[in-house]
Amino acid sequence: DTGVSQNPRHKITKRGQNVTFRCDPISEHNRLYWYRQTLGQGPEFLTYFQNEAQLEKSRLLSDRFSAERPKGSFSTLEIQRTEQGDSAMYLCASSPTGGIHYEQYFGPGTRLTVT
Amino acid sequence: SQKIEQNSEALNIQEGKTATLTCNYTNYSPAYLQWYRQDPGRGPVFLLLIRENEKEKRKERLKVTFDTTLKQSLFHITASQPADSATYLCALEDSSASKIIFGSGTRLSIRP
Repeated sequence: DTGVSQNPRHKITKRGQNVTFRCDPISEHNRLYWYRQTLGQGPEFLTYFQNEAQLEKSRLLSDRFSAERPKGSFSTLEIQRTEQGDSAMYLCASSPTGGIHYEQYFGPGTRLTVT
Repeated sequence: SQKIEQNSEALNIQEGKTATLTCNYTNYSPAYLQWYRQDPGRGPVFLLLIRENEKEKRKERLKVTFDTTLKQSLFHITASQPADSATYLCALEDSSASKIIFGSGTRLSIRP
């Protein structure tokens, strides 16, 4: 399967714990995006990378959230000191380089439940 | 700030009819607009992209229009089938051209 993969698919954690998610994009795609989606809403932009450079970060992203893409391939999203409001689906997407944000290929998502 | 509006109420259509979904936006004129399909528990899937200088675009049974004067895009599915049942998301580039923003989606149900 050469699509975008995300791990884990589901994560249940207790409030206050740290969690880390991984995204493996399509290999030839230079752009990688993270989104958060709650029930009944569209994906909400969190951040995006061009290769290993983090070029944009949502103001909605608190200091508890951090993302990395150290070698320009896979990416990790870490949430520190989780809160119940962090419960959501976390989606990763990738796209080829271009002048605009072309069609994005999404992974299956990681569903986070904070108890 | 930029705003995208999609009908939050579910749309129920009889199989074989044409389904029409609406996406309205305010406060900005995007250079292009995209439509995605999302099934429950899965990530969105890209369907079509239409640029500001294109009035209409087609792909098989799908048709998208883009009216920059009305600030509206219409998404049509002709000869609808139960397998078309899903949530359809509209997305456009924000004013800083630094990211895509999505509407909240419209849930479409096609009944046999």
